[in-house]
Amino acid sequence: GAGVSQTPSNKVTEKGKYVELRCDPISGHTALYWYRQSLGQGPEFLIYFQGTGAADDSGLPNDRFFAVRPEGSVSTLKIQRTERGDSAVYLCASSLRRGQPQHFGDGTRLSIL
Amino acid sequence: EDQVTQSPEALRLQEGESSSLNCSYTVSGLRGLFWYRQDPGKGPEFLFTLYSAGEEKEKERLKATLTKKESFLHITAPKPEDSATYLCAVQEETSGSRLTFGEGTQLTVNP
Repeated sequence: GAGVSQTPSNKVTEKGKYVELRCDPISGHTALYWYRQSLGQGPEFLIYFQGTGAADDSGLPNDRFFAVRPEGSVSTLKIQRTERGDSAVYLCASSLRRGQPQHFGDGTRLSIL
Repeated sequence: EDQVTQSPEALRLQEGESSSLNCSYTVSGLRGLFWYRQDPGKGPEFLFTLYSAGEEKEKERLKATLTKKESFLHITAPKPEDSATYLCAVQEETSGSRLTFGEGTQLTVNP
């Protein structure tokens, strides 16, 4: 079946702009996660959704970052007033339920010029 | 705070030369330890979950083991297609959601 789908695969924008990154999880998966991965590092947790609600947003670095999952399926990660330090690969994962193995998409490579 | 340390950072093997990757962890209560494989430009691909000390899981040339402080990923007679970065992650009992990852071991298998 289809895996986790993330769009766009690449995004280049200027410092100060607003960006939206989309994640389409595996059908039927109730749990959805966002991570950020810098070159040579492991993924770093950002936020976890159970259904429509953000159950744990403690990994969001500051209030420029926000994520939604209005219908309990597709999720959007939103970054306001982007900074060069936001450049990274943003990974989305989903799992059947909390605690089950997480399956990752191929990420969005975000570059802030 | 959960911590995961992987060693070595990089490993070069000849085809057929078996070896092991190490993942040391500190967590207040372990819910699960996860191994992933990541190819360049791709997302992590799930390999194994281990839940308790003494548990072992196998898949083709890979075998993962778990103790109370560390996990090993044993690679038997590796092939060039096993070349990838291998990531270890822990999930804490209380959160049961977020994964805390190590920095990975970059494995290269030469023909």
